[in-house]
Amino acid sequence: DGGITQSPKYLFRKEGQNVTLSCEQNLNHDAMYWYRQDPGQGLRLIYYSQIVNDFQKGDIAEGYSVSREKKESFPLTVTSAQKNPTAFYLCASSIQWGNQPQHFGDGTRLSIL
Amino acid sequence: DQQVKQNSPSLSVQEGRISILNCDYTNSMFDYFLWYKKYPAEGPTFLISISSIKDKNEDGRFTVFLNKSAKHLSLHIVPSQPGDSAVYFCAASGWSESGGSNYKLTFGKGTLLTVNP
Repeated sequence: DGGITQSPKYLFRKEGQNVTLSCEQNLNHDAMYWYRQDPGQGLRLIYYSQIVNDFQKGDIAEGYSVSREKKESFPLTVTSAQKNPTAFYLCASSIQWGNQPQHFGDGTRLSIL
Repeated sequence: DQQVKQNSPSLSVQEGRISILNCDYTNSMFDYFLWYKKYPAEGPTFLISISSIKDKNEDGRFTVFLNKSAKHLSLHIVPSQPGDSAVYFCAASGWSESGGSNYKLTFGKGTLLTVNP
């Protein structure tokens, strides 16, 4: 059945390394999003993509990069420039860019060793 | 500056009673509001939304009320069930205060609802 798949569920990274989080959706949604959640905080937008081959910075894009080469996939790379990468990362999608509900995957928890 | 505020970090209610979760916003240009429910280590699940042209939207046990003049919305859950125990996030989107469309969602920090049997 349709949904958003994030992998892996838990990820560990050594300091100074880049790491890529996977997000795949089979909902045929045009728009995709990456959020970060820290303890006791709401979700903060990292990057979003309105349509394939397009992406825009969100509110906290520094130290992150994305690509949107396929409609189904929106991987997020956490680079070594991200000073505080330990967090819970959530990917979401919506039918189209606009006032639409966003549907979320189950997240990836990234920890620094 | 927080544009969406959920001032109650937690709420506890008895099973069968009404749960009322509150949310305030500061950006008068927000025109679309949503509520999400989140269990630990899972992604948020969309519950219900409301457009600013309405003041109430209902879906089963969930009703969202919007008071634009007070910049306030609330989620009512009736009757509350133990399975409703989760963190509830309010979110909003609309035209940004600096101009231009802005469909990005702005989330509150969440309210932990505990429904006691």
